[in-house]
Amino acid sequence: GEDVEQSLFLSVREGDSSVINCTYTDSSSTYLYWYKQEPGAGLQLLTYIFSNMDMKQDQRLTVLLNKKDKHLSLRIADTQTGDSAIYFCAESMGNDKIIFGKGTRLHILP
Amino acid sequence: DGGITQSPKYLFRKEGQNVTLSCEQNLNHDAMYWYRQDPGQGLRLIYYSQIVNDFQKGDIAEGYSVSREKKESFPLTVTSAQKNPTAFYLCASSTTGSRAEAFFGQGTRLTVV
Repeated sequence: GEDVEQSLFLSVREGDSSVINCTYTDSSSTYLYWYKQEPGAGLQLLTYIFSNMDMKQDQRLTVLLNKKDKHLSLRIADTQTGDSAIYFCAESMGNDKIIFGKGTRLHILP
Repeated sequence: DGGITQSPKYLFRKEGQNVTLSCEQNLNHDAMYWYRQDPGQGLRLIYYSQIVNDFQKGDIAEGYSVSREKKESFPLTVTSAQKNPTAFYLCASSTTGSRAEAFFGQGTRLTVV
């Protein structure tokens, strides 16, 4: 079946690293994505990783993929107040269907 | 600039009325999607379309209808049969193929009064 799971909430102190985790069930996923949603807005693509990669780094963002465990994580270094948002994990099924998780709300503590 | 536009941003509907939400894209994407977002529920797929004149039901299609007469446009009608329509509606478009990266509109917040 198709399912993407994430924890719903994460609180992190400003300046610390945030790690948002995601698990997915379909091993045929080709691309995995992280989206960010700020209040009252649509989703914005942050980064993606191809399923044959283990890691991708883009400035403060690091994506780790453990294909054996079907586990994806997003690490945000030096978390800032502007990082406060909902983060969605998503997988592309190769049939033009994109499955989203329920989203993790990242709260930044002063 | 290329992008995807939803209108209106806020919409109020009386009970028993149908209402149509607009979604237009100029990204030349074949695939378009409608999602509903409720607090704590994440995104739920209502309908999606992979090509003009064709669309498929998503997970929560009951009480909704769509059309795809043009590649650029994928309007969503919330009918009176939808019992709990108050929600945030998001439209997205994507290329087809394995890397179906989705681009989202800014959303329409529908409230039933």
